[in-house]
Amino acid sequence: AQSVTQPDIHITVSEGASLELRCNYSYGATPYLFWYVQSPGQGLQLLLKYFSGDTLVQGIKGFEAEFKRSQSSFNLRKPSVHWSDAAEYFCAGTKHASGGSYIPTFGRGTSLIVHP
Amino acid sequence: GAGVSQSPSNKVTEKGKDVELRCDPISGHTALYWYRQSLGQGLEFLIYFQGNSAPDKSGLPSDRFSAERTGGSVSTLTIQRTQQEDSAVYLCASSRQGGDLETQYFGPGTRLLVL
Repeated sequence: AQSVTQPDIHITVSEGASLELRCNYSYGATPYLFWYVQSPGQGLQLLLKYFSGDTLVQGIKGFEAEFKRSQSSFNLRKPSVHWSDAAEYFCAGTKHASGGSYIPTFGRGTSLIVHP
Repeated sequence: GAGVSQSPSNKVTEKGKDVELRCDPISGHTALYWYRQSLGQGLEFLIYFQGNSAPDKSGLPSDRFSAERTGGSVSTLTIQRTQQEDSAVYLCASSRQGGDLETQYFGPGTRLLVL
């Protein structure tokens, strides 16, 4: 079955430290992969997405993610975390749906806590 | 509109009652999606609309759940005879045409509590 796994429920980092959030996928073929962020009381916002080509993807807010086929991973990174980055982060992969759309399958999310 | 809006923001209801949740997508977006986010869980896909038709209803958890979309715009998700396990945040998203390269834009959600 197609699935996306985020092994870490919570991650705590100090402001200014680097960050890596893990995501593993299980699909029959290379999926389209996404990272979303959800701030408290807000909807989800797309950080970045990977479809093909360069395996290092740059996103908004200084985030990047690297697709590694050999590890079935798509980890999210940021070199220096800001307090405003505290939020819930979701990794998602797509499955093809009828009607030509691609429906994301979401991981359970990782809650990022930033200490001052 | 400027973004996806949902109403109400919060809804408290009694077990067995029916509820209606509304989603206003971004103007001009033909694709609309409903998701459910339960505490500690990821997003669970419920249903997808392309225009007014729903080619993918595979995520609806039971026949108590239904959704419609009129005029290619507003969508309503209806839950009949609500149960406590229906308590969750219901998120709506829209995209321009529903293609694989498109970004989905999410609304803030409706937080449903069934007592």
